[in-house]
Amino acid sequence: EPEVTQTPSHQVTQMGQEVILRCVPISNHLYFYWYRQILGQKVEFLVSFYNNEISEKSEIFDDQFSVERPDGSNFTLKIRSTKLEDSAMYFCASAQGAGGPTDEQFFGPGTRLTVL
Amino acid sequence: AQTVTQSQPEMSVQEAETVTLSCTYDTSESDYYLFWYKQPPSRQMILVIRQEAYKQQNATENRFSVNFQKAAKSFSLKISDSQLGDAAMYFCAYRINFGNEKLTFGTGTRLTIIP
Repeated sequence: EPEVTQTPSHQVTQMGQEVILRCVPISNHLYFYWYRQILGQKVEFLVSFYNNEISEKSEIFDDQFSVERPDGSNFTLKIRSTKLEDSAMYFCASAQGAGGPTDEQFFGPGTRLTVL
Repeated sequence: AQTVTQSQPEMSVQEAETVTLSCTYDTSESDYYLFWYKQPPSRQMILVIRQEAYKQQNATENRFSVNFQKAAKSFSLKISDSQLGDAAMYFCAYRINFGNEKLTFGTGTRLTIIP
């Protein structure tokens, strides 16, 4: 069964460094999302992406964040200058359709980002 | 803004018994979807069950069923005949029925199955 995959599973970085989190969505999906979960808190929406542009972004998704679909398969989240408070689990999700009753968002296993 | 609240951070149930996980939400919208996602340890979230707000009938998927009370903005998940494989984090989530809208999640309930 097709799955969303994410790499790396765990990323440790120094404050101020740039990180790129990678996701491979399910191949025929058109809608892509990033969510994050700070330890012990709820899963929060960051950004949605469709047709090579951002559809919606949350207030968390400031100028330090960017997303890209550099080729036909990868979907990346870049954090330009990481802060301690960026430490979290980052989940990628993809969906085939635009949110109808049967359009399910499929989630990847997550990347745990630790900023020291 | 929409909010989703799960007031039970942890629950446990004896194997083969029934357990109910609670979820309440707040929205001013009338057309939306509600979901329960399961996240086993070190595994991705998978969809357990969905409910469309305009449907009065409660959704059922095998051993999983919901009690959807639209007026009360309550959406609980009932797991019957609990199995060891049901042990996971369970997230309640909301999505408006418009475009490719984001999911809004609760804080989750960790379910432990006692053999």
